Amino acid sequence: EAQVTQNPRYLITVTGKKLTVTCSQNMNHEYMSWYRQDPGLGLRQIYYSMNVEVTDKGDVPEGYKVSRKEKRNFPLILESPSPNQTSLYFCASSLRDRGIQYFGAGTRLSVL
Amino acid sequence: GENVEQHPSTLSVQEGDSAVIKCTYSDSASNYFPWYKQELGKRPQLIIDIRSNVGEKKDQRIAVTLNKTAKHFSLHITETQPEDSAVYFCAAHPQAGTALIFGKGTTLSVSS
Repeated sequence: EAQVTQNPRYLITVTGKKLTVTCSQNMNHEYMSWYRQDPGLGLRQIYYSMNVEVTDKGDVPEGYKVSRKEKRNFPLILESPSPNQTSLYFCASSLRDRGIQYFGAGTRLSVL
Repeated sequence: GENVEQHPSTLSVQEGDSAVIKCTYSDSASNYFPWYKQELGKRPQLIIDIRSNVGEKKDQRIAVTLNKTAKHFSLHITETQPEDSAVYFCAAHPQAGTALIFGKGTTLSVSS
C-alpha cells in the first residue's frame, strides 16, 4: 500500500531534549517536505527536499534540521526543542515538485 | 516571497447550497494552485488543483477558477453535503524549487 509513515504519532518532551521525528515513503517520490499546523495559522512549510542530498528552507525553518540521505526517508530533527515548537507536524511527499502531495498521519508534539 | 490570503475563515451553508472559497496570491511567478481538504483529526488530502495555463477545472461537484491578472483563485462546491464539512486550504507554488505556501484555511460547515 502506497503511504507516508511518520513516527511517533504523539510525543511529549521537555525543553532542550533533542528529538527526531521520522518520515518514510514507499512511492519512490522525489519531493518530500515537512509542515507544522497551528490553529489559525494553517499549514506552514518547514523544510523541503527536491531529491537526495538536496534540502531547502521553507517558511518557518528556525529551530529545525532535516536530512535526505536516502530517497525514502526525510527525518525532522529538533536539536533543542522549545515550547513554541508545540504543534501538529505533517510530513508529505510527491512524485515531483508541484505534484500531488501525500501527507502522513501527523505527529502531535508537546514541548513542556 | 509568496503570500496567500484565504477568505472566509469560516463558512456555514445549508445542505444543497453552493460554497465558494477565495484565495489571493502575491507572486506573479506562481503557477500551481492546489486545494486540500482536511477532515477533523485527519491528514490533508488534495481535492483539486489547477495550473496557470488553465482558467478553470472541474471535477464533479468541485470546480476551481483562476484569474492570473487579478492573482486570485477560487474553489466552488455545488450541491453541498454534510460530508463536505471540513477545513479547506488553498496553496500557491511559485517557480520550481521554492516552497509551497498555504492559506490559513476555511472551516466549512454544511448543515442538513
